[in-house]
Amino acid sequence: DTGVSQNPRHKITKRGQNVTFRCDPISEHNRLYWYRQTLGQGPEFLTYFQNEAQLEKSRLLSDRFSAERPKGSFSTLEIQRTEQGDSAMYLCASSPRTGRFGNTIYFGEGSWLTVV
Amino acid sequence: GNSVTQMEGPVTLSEEAFLTINCTYTATGYPSLFWYVQYPGEGLQLLLKATKADDKGSNKGFEATYRKETTSFHLEKGSVQVSDSAVYFCALSPNAGGTSYGKLTFGQGTILTVHP
Repeated sequence: DTGVSQNPRHKITKRGQNVTFRCDPISEHNRLYWYRQTLGQGPEFLTYFQNEAQLEKSRLLSDRFSAERPKGSFSTLEIQRTEQGDSAMYLCASSPRTGRFGNTIYFGEGSWLTVV
Repeated sequence: GNSVTQMEGPVTLSEEAFLTINCTYTATGYPSLFWYVQYPGEGLQLLLKATKADDKGSNKGFEATYRKETTSFHLEKGSVQVSDSAVYFCALSPNAGGTSYGKLTFGQGTILTVHP
């Protein structure tokens, strides 16, 4: 499978605990994105990387959230001191460098987070 | 800012009926437009896209035409199948080649249910 891979697919955690999600983009895609989707809503942009550089962060990304892409390949999204409002699906996506083939964004299957 | 508005849902149809899901957008410049489909418990799959005015995106019998004069990108299919039951999202990206490409703005989604 050469698609965007996310894990874990499901995570249930107690309020106040930290959680980390991992995303492996499509090979050679230098852009990687994180989105959050709550029930009944469309996904909302959180942040994106070009290679290892984090180029933009949404104001939705509070100080408790941190994303990294240390070697320009996989990425992690960590949520510290989780709150019930963090319960959502966290989607990762990737795309090649912009250009003739760079205008399609491919999504993973998402990581569901439930904070109890 | 950018925004996408989809028709109110859910939509329930009988197999072989004609489908239209309306989508209108607000954006500066010349955004790229997308339709994504999400099956239960899964991530987003790109259904079709259009990158400039009057382009028609098509895939799996679905079509949508980029209408700049009406700022619309309505999704149509001539004959739906039970397997088309899913949530459909309209989305836009600021532009095809800029640094914000991939920072998608989504509509709220339209649930489609097709009965045999």
